[in-house]
Parts: sequence; C-alpha cells; structure tokens
Amino acid sequence: AIQLTQSPSSLSASVGDRVTIPCRASQGISSALAWYQQKPGKAPKLLIYDASRLESGVPSRFSGSGSGTDFTLTVSSLQAEDFATYYCQQFNIYPLTFGQGTRLKIK
Amino acid sequence: QVQLQESGPGLVKPSQTLSLTCAVSGVSISSGGHFWNWIRQHPGKGLEWIGHIHYSGSIYYNPSLKSRVSISVDTSENQFSLKLRSVTAGDTALYYCARGISTDWFDSWGQGTLVTVSS
Repeated sequence: AIQLTQSPSSLSASVGDRVTIPCRASQGISSALAWYQQKPGKAPKLLIYDASRLESGVPSRFSGSGSGTDFTLTVSSLQAEDFATYYCQQFNIYPLTFGQGTRLKIK
Repeated sequence: QVQLQESGPGLVKPSQTLSLTCAVSGVSISSGGHFWNWIRQHPGKGLEWIGHIHYSGSIYYNPSLKSRVSISVDTSENQFSLKLRSVTAGDTALYYCARGISTDWFDSWGQGTLVTVSS
C-alpha cells in the first residue's frame, strides 16, 4: 500500500500567518491526491482534489500543489476557523490511503 | 444536496459481527459514477479506508480487512451497508460512510457513528 507521510504531526501558527502543510507519498501518485480538514467531533471536509483543484465552496485562501511524491497544502492567511487537523489522501492505487494528519494549533 | 446517515448498534461483543447501514438522501444511489464508501477512525487516530461499492455491484475492499468485511447496496432503499465479522477491541472506532467521486476522493460524509467492541 502507498504510505502518505505528513510531518510534522502538529504545528503552531497565528491568525494571519501563511502556513504550508506537507504530504509525501512512498511512491509516485501523479496528481491523485486530495486534502481534507477535520474539526473535533466532525466528519472530514473535502478541500482540494487532483492535488490542486479547489472544491466548490472552499475559501480561496486554501490551495494545493505538487505531483509525484511531494505535495503541499497552503493556507495563505489563517483564520480562526482554520485551526483543525488536515489529512491528505491518495487515490492513485488501491487501497485508498490517508496520511496520519497534521494538527494545526493556535500559537 | 446529498446527505448520508449511518446507523447501527453502538456496542458489539468480541467475535461477533458489526453491522452498519448508511442511508443516502438527496440523490439516487444508482445515479452517476459514484462509489459508496466506508471509512473508520480509531479514537484519536487517523483515517482508514475500509472499502467501497458501486450500485452495479463493483466492490473493492482494503486488503487489510478483506477477509472479514463485506459491503452491499440496496438501491430500493437507497442505502448501503457494512458487515465486519469476528470483531475485536481493535475494531472499536468511529465509522463513517462517504460518497466517492468515482473511485477517487470523498466529497460528502456522514456524521459518523461510534462502535465499541466490548463484552
């Protein structure tokens, strides 16, 4: 199975900061990557698919980039509601797999 | 707008079968190229994809669970189901159902249902 590594597992930032969250695949997955945001007690919410395509209704401060093995989720200017856990997910090869998540905390 | 709602027992005894159903509303489960997924999240942990089904009957399971899992679809009731056999404490988790865009990403999720395996 393809392993997705999200490191660091947590990071701290302030409102207004620009933040990048990395995701590395154990083998090349082209652009077959999605990003989700999960808040405590809630289901994950789709943010990005195909590595860089913004899901409808998601604020434009979120963006995704990368292909092959290295991917990044960027939040251009953090808002209070963005403090959550972020997961990447690959859909290039079965089984579908997720990264272990990066928790974004308030500094 | 599509909505998904999981239902089933919150407590299952070890060695028994976990059974959950996901009711889909707002869209026909047999329309389009969507696959219907089960995903679980162990307490305080990350997400694990269990498997998915297309209304036509096409199914894929995660090999890590394949020997114990089955997913089925009921188009007349617009729902799909999960059965996980021979459960242990390690199967205690929050179980989500989700709609897949083809076999790829998940654009709509249920709220999740916590299943605890304990005697």
